[in-house]
Amino acid sequence: QLQLQESDPGLVKPSETLSLTCTVSGGSISTNDYYWGWIRQPPGKGLESIGTIYYSGHAYYNPSLRSRVTISVDTSKNFFSLRLSSVTAADTAVYFCARHGLNDQIDSWGQGTLVTVSS
Amino acid sequence: QSLLTQPPSVSGAPGQRVSISCTGSSSNIGAGFDVHWYQQLPGAAPKLLVSGATSRPSGVPDRFSGSKSGTSASLAITGLQADDEADYYCQSYDSSLSLSIFGGGTKVTVL
Repeated sequence: QLQLQESDPGLVKPSETLSLTCTVSGGSISTNDYYWGWIRQPPGKGLESIGTIYYSGHAYYNPSLRSRVTISVDTSKNFFSLRLSSVTAADTAVYFCARHGLNDQIDSWGQGTLVTVSS
Repeated sequence: QSLLTQPPSVSGAPGQRVSISCTGSSSNIGAGFDVHWYQQLPGAAPKLLVSGATSRPSGVPDRFSGSKSGTSASLAITGLQADDEADYYCQSYDSSLSLSIFGGGTKVTVL
């Protein structure tokens, strides 16, 4: 059974960089059948795609976040990562990592981790 | 503003049928990209409910069904039950963004 687990940075100060990792267990990240993504959900609001990455390292980003976001993958350790720089209170959200099938459906989600941006 | 438009809320009595619409454009649903639906219970991650507009993953009851036409898609819930109270999201791929996009979400209330 595939499991995805986000790390838990908790509190991040304004202007700093948010860093998250998603550890994949029960399956390999190095597959052509799936790709991997980050999605966030501000408190009480809807879902927003941050970006996706293939195991080759090819990444796609939400244009509204592109200047601040980097998604990377480590196939040797079976995890992928998110870095979001220059955070503000507007970046406070539950961050989910996810697995996308080739039709873009998300068939596996991490439990989500709440990241709060506050001084 | 979401590129996929959903009604903020729908409601129905137990046993009734409700429908949730998801309206997109020529760069996503209208371009032929699949539409997927998710159910999110409070405090939980979303769960895939309907994939490719009409296909249900194993374990999802057939009370949930999807359809798609043109630039829109719909999720129907028949035989509404109390534990169907949740937020529902549609999702598709947008070619202008090269990214997954979500609808704003619809809260289903069982009266």
